[in-house]
Amino acid sequence: DAGITQSPRHKVTETGTPVTLRCHQTENHRYMYWYRQDPGHGLRLIHYSYGVKDTDKGEVSDGYSVSRSKTEDFLLTLESATSSQTSVYFCAFGTNTDTQYFGPGTRLTVL
Amino acid sequence: KNQVEQSPQSLIILEGKNCTLQCNYTVSPFSNLRWYKQDTGRGPVSLTIMTFSENTKSNGRYTATLDADTKQSSLHITASQLSDSASYICVVSEGSYIPTFGRGTSLIVHP
Repeated sequence: DAGITQSPRHKVTETGTPVTLRCHQTENHRYMYWYRQDPGHGLRLIHYSYGVKDTDKGEVSDGYSVSRSKTEDFLLTLESATSSQTSVYFCAFGTNTDTQYFGPGTRLTVL
Repeated sequence: KNQVEQSPQSLIILEGKNCTLQCNYTVSPFSNLRWYKQDTGRGPVSLTIMTFSENTKSNGRYTATLDADTKQSSLHITASQLSDSASYICVVSEGSYIPTFGRGTSLIVHP
């Protein structure tokens, strides 16, 4: 996986608890993204960032927030996890007009 | 609404055979079209990217074609190998930060 890691790789949590997923890239790239992938759906964009402290919403942003305090780190937070947020979450860096490089994914289960 | 439709949903072929995967899209305006390969349990990996002016792009045994007039793309895999077993995802961008992902074609290559 091209210079991008995600942690944790697996997490099980309970409804109503806060959850933070971390994405770390070593390529010093300006643009980073969070996606979720569910059966029957293509990857869907949650939030993206175009620089430190510059973030914007994607198509499925409700219930999620993000922060980017350093170029290399992009955090995704579920303020109060719900069962509908059970999914596989992928982080990526790159531009929308060129190749995006994806992390290995985090499998999140909300009970 | 922007949409990307892929067919077939799944495909089983014998090792050594060729196959072609299809992608139809309604994304407008068009910026680029990318094909990704996603192995089970891993993040997508880029195979090809094509802009409006390109109608074919190769990456080893993978050849992608694009017909921007009919809004169709195909991914041709030559002399398939067991390692080609994966999901193949078509992604179309309109130049904004929100790409549209297809649901993927699941390819199984049998020995």
